[in-house]
Amino acid sequence: QVQLVESGGGVVQPGRSLRLSCAASRFTFSSFAMHWVRQAPGKGLEWVADISFDGSNKYYADSVKDRFTISRDNSKNTLYLQMNSLRAEDTALYYCARDRYTYGLVGGDYWGQGTLVTVSS
Amino acid sequence: QSALTQPASVSGSPGQSITISCTGTSSDIGTFNYVSWYQQHPGKAPKLMIYEVSDRPSGVSNRFSGSKSGNTASLTISGLQAEDEGDYYCSSKTSSFTHVFGTGTKVTVL
Repeated sequence: QVQLVESGGGVVQPGRSLRLSCAASRFTFSSFAMHWVRQAPGKGLEWVADISFDGSNKYYADSVKDRFTISRDNSKNTLYLQMNSLRAEDTALYYCARDRYTYGLVGGDYWGQGTLVTVSS
Repeated sequence: QSALTQPASVSGSPGQSITISCTGTSSDIGTFNYVSWYQQHPGKAPKLMIYEVSDRPSGVSNRFSGSKSGNTASLTISGLQAEDEGDYYCSSKTSSFTHVFGTGTKVTVL
């Protein structure tokens, strides 16, 4: 069964940075696009970013563009989200999710359990 | 990119059918057949129920079906069961190659 395990969340002050990781196992990581999706406490889902199977294509939500960077290391089966200039409104549970395809078309067919990021002074 | 519009809540009795709508624009649902539906139970990660408008992943009950007309997609749950209670979200790929989720619908089984 596909496994995705996020890590790196925590409490951070506004304006600081944080890097999230998502360790993938039990599937061929290098063959699938990946997504980051977040959910603020008590709120709905918000798509954050996706990356193609080989890292050549990356797309971002307007709310995080120029602050967040998605990347992947296929040799380590790991997805990353570098988050800079964090704001209070970035507080959320961050999920990584696997797409069904090599490019981000469908969204997540498998999801991790999420890692919580809290931005607060 | 604005969120897709869903009703806040939908309810039905066991055995009934309910339909959840998801309204977008010509820049997302109206252009692409990459519409997905997710079920989320409290404290759990979302689960993919429908992808590419009407396809079901392996293991998802055939009581769940999807369709699309113009800028609006729909999810129908037939033979409603207690375990179907939860939040449901639609999503679509957009003309900017991003994705957008719906506002979410709380399904209650009476």
